[in-house]
Amino acid sequence: GENVEQHPSTLSVQEGDSAVIKCTYSDSASNYFPWYKQELGKRPQLIIDIRSNVGEKKDQRIAVTLNKTAKHFSLHITETQPEDSAVYFCAAKVDDKIIFGKGTRLHILP
Amino acid sequence: NAGVTQTPKFQVLKTGQSMTLQCAQDMNHEYMSWYRQDPGMGLRLIHYSVGAGITDQGEVPNGYNVSRSTTEDFPLRLLSAAPSQTSVYFCASSLNPSSGYEQFFGPGTRLTVL
Repeated sequence: GENVEQHPSTLSVQEGDSAVIKCTYSDSASNYFPWYKQELGKRPQLIIDIRSNVGEKKDQRIAVTLNKTAKHFSLHITETQPEDSAVYFCAAKVDDKIIFGKGTRLHILP
Repeated sequence: NAGVTQTPKFQVLKTGQSMTLQCAQDMNHEYMSWYRQDPGMGLRLIHYSVGAGITDQGEVPNGYNVSRSTTEDFPLRLLSAAPSQTSVYFCASSLNPSSGYEQFFGPGTRLTVL
């Protein structure tokens, strides 16, 4: 079945440093990979996504890279700020299903 | 637009009781889905629908039923609640999966089964 693995489960970085979260997926037919951010007590919200015909996508301090051969994709946050503290989820689309990883809790240290 | 709405916000049930979690969207989205969120487990797909009259199972469908009689509504039914169904439930919607993928989530329903 479909599987999305996400690492690490917890990540602490100094404010201003970069954070990287990595995900792998099992189904080679997956063609869409979104990332969601969930603040405490709130609903998940899309922050960036990438389709399988693109290797990298950037939006200000956030970037996502995709390696289809290795079946892994990563989220990069540069110049981290206190408001980046949240839980981040990667996901992969398989057929009509969006399957999520287990999440990474990101702490930004002052 | 109200976006995706869910009712109730909180619910406490006793084991064996039944209930329906309501979800509605006013964005004319074809695709709707239900997830449950448990600590350390991420978001797990329960059921989804690609359009009115069509539903399918996700990763954890056991103990839950759904129907999609209209584009706007996608209720989730628990026929006989169990403590293992204690969770936060999120409904989400998006445009037709073939043309647009961003999922918009509702505010969630926190369910406790005693």
